Amino acid sequence: NAGVTQTPKFRVLKTGQSMTLLCAQDMNHEYMYWYRQDPGMGLRLIHYSVGEGTTAKGEVPDGYNVSRLKKQNFLLGLESAAPSQTSVYFCASSYLLAGGFPYNEQFFGPGTRLTVL
Amino acid sequence: AQSVSQHNHHVILSEAASLELGCNYSYGGTVNLFWYVQYPGQHLQLLLKYFSGDPLVKGIKGFEAEFIKSKFSFNLRKPSVQWSDTAEYFCAVNARGTTDSWGKLQFGAGTQVVVTP
Repeated sequence: NAGVTQTPKFRVLKTGQSMTLLCAQDMNHEYMYWYRQDPGMGLRLIHYSVGEGTTAKGEVPDGYNVSRLKKQNFLLGLESAAPSQTSVYFCASSYLLAGGFPYNEQFFGPGTRLTVL
Repeated sequence: AQSVSQHNHHVILSEAASLELGCNYSYGGTVNLFWYVQYPGQHLQLLLKYFSGDPLVKGIKGFEAEFIKSKFSFNLRKPSVQWSDTAEYFCAVNARGTTDSWGKLQFGAGTQVVVTP
């Protein structure tokens, strides 16, 4: 199993450009998450999804959109990139225990380092 | 809203020294607790977790953590560190029983640990 994969690994954008980050997991997990990691701030949740076709806002959703058209994929979009979105972006997934209670151990991808000039 | 505090942002110690990293959280209800580690250039990996039962939990690579409910703490320890333990360590908390936090983790800011030979 590849686990959680992310593409691309690195990207440089100019202010105002758009892009999409792709996260894929092959573990059949129900839950998927997008985080950003900034020095001294830990990981902050951007958006998450509790299943195919559903998404919800996290702690810092402004400037980002997401889609979960297929269970294994979770896309993060930046419509108009800003320098404040320079960060490392991590995708994660987790699965449900029997009875539907989410097993909260999250499995992380390798990250995407994004620089916005 | 719940919060997670890690007391030390940077720790430098010599090989064979003992390590203890503090973590406190603000949520008053039942919690799931995690410590993740991020080695240089790599993604987050789970060190250990606590869901219920024995408050002293053992994880990988000789790490352990103790949950003290009365102190809202989940401190990480290792009796004798190695150079390969150089990494950033994150405490994370999930507040069980609240639909708003369903499946979501709140991360601390992280502690950068440097082990010198």
